Amino acid sequence: NAGVMQNPRHLVRRRGQEARLRCSPMKGHSHVYWYRQLPEEGLKFMVYLQKENIIDESGMPKERFSAEFPKEGPSILRIQQVVRGDSAAYFCASSPLRTGPSSGNTIYFGEGSWLTVV
Amino acid sequence: DAKTTQPTSMDCAEGRAANLPCNHSTISGNEYVYWYRQIHSQGPQYIIHGLKNNETNEMASLIITEDRKSSTLILPHATLRDTAVYYCIVSDYNQGGKLIFGQGTELSVKP
Repeated sequence: NAGVMQNPRHLVRRRGQEARLRCSPMKGHSHVYWYRQLPEEGLKFMVYLQKENIIDESGMPKERFSAEFPKEGPSILRIQQVVRGDSAAYFCASSPLRTGPSSGNTIYFGEGSWLTVV
Repeated sequence: DAKTTQPTSMDCAEGRAANLPCNHSTISGNEYVYWYRQIHSQGPQYIIHGLKNNETNEMASLIITEDRKSSTLILPHATLRDTAVYYCIVSDYNQGGKLIFGQGTELSVKP
């Protein structure tokens, strides 16, 4: 059973460009979470999505960041007009049910996408 | 904000048991305790979780106190590959099911 797949694993963008990070959840999982980890810092929740719905985006920066999880295909985290401060590791996770760990379900993480803005 | 308190760092001798404590004094009845670890430059790895009873799997054991205000993760025979940051997380039902990570405990297993 394949785990959570993220790509690209490493991405370099110049300031002002767009970055698109993709996440394919584990088979049978319909809920996706995105986290960001700045250098030497902890994991910060960004957004929680269900197929075609954003459940919780309380951790998303108000500008330049967006996320989607379409009916078909992977979840996408999109960062427009990247700045150096966006350089970080972005982790995707998935769980099988809506209430996730609140019901004792487990969230599984991918290996991350490392974004470097130059 | 994270609802748990963990020591910043701990050392453990290789082959010995590593006991990682966690305080979660404000935990409510429906909230689970989860443990993850993150080895440098890798994604967080699920270890174990529990509600009330002690739990054991192939990786570790989780001991939850009767009042549920604290727990201990036990790695029975620590190896150098267990060196990582260990996160104790209380699932917050009111937060919609997401996991909120704190600073964790940096465990160093030494030969």
